[in-house]
Amino acid sequence: EVQLVESGGGLVQPGGSLRLSCAASGFTFSSYEMNWVRQAPGKGLEWVSYISSSGSTIYYADSVKGRFTISRDNAKNSLYLQMNSLRAEDTAVYYCARGYTMGVWGKGTTVTVSS
Amino acid sequence: EIVLTQSPATLSLSPGERATLSCRASQSVSSYLAWYQQKPGQAPRLLIYDASNRATGIPARFSGSGSGTDFTLTISSLEPEDFAVYYCQQRSNWPGTFGQGTRLEIK
Repeated sequence: EVQLVESGGGLVQPGGSLRLSCAASGFTFSSYEMNWVRQAPGKGLEWVSYISSSGSTIYYADSVKGRFTISRDNAKNSLYLQMNSLRAEDTAVYYCARGYTMGVWGKGTTVTVSS
Repeated sequence: EIVLTQSPATLSLSPGERATLSCRASQSVSSYLAWYQQKPGQAPRLLIYDASNRATGIPARFSGSGSGTDFTLTISSLEPEDFAVYYCQQRSNWPGTFGQGTRLEIK
């Protein structure tokens, strides 16, 4: 079964850091681009970051550029999002999504930034 | 950044009726447009990619059309499970923006 499972969310104070992980199974992870997408409470979707299958091409939304770092470990079938200097507006459910079409999504992990 | 505007914001229809959802881009996105369905507490689900291609397992009652700046998602005959929020998304260029969503509710 094709599956993506996010982890690493939680409550963090403003200015703090978190590292999200996305564990992939049921497909050849190294063949797919991957994405992080977030959704603030009661709001729409925001594409946060993209990484190519090899990791050689990376994009970030302006709202997170310089604070977030996307990476992947194809040997471990895992995707990561290192989030530093967190702000209240980063509070959201963070999803990882597979491929150009984002045809497979995880269930998400919740990040809450609050003092 | 390309802005996607979805209309209407809310659509109230009954099961069996036809639903037409619109997505307009602030500049051409060619055919690089997708549609997603999201139900409360769930992750989005890909319905349509590249404007008109149904994703795997998506029923034939869902169809997408359009190119350039104007796109439409049509649900030919609504089933009870179709009532949800629908988002369009472009990836013509980075950042790949989403529309604000259309809520399809039961009348």
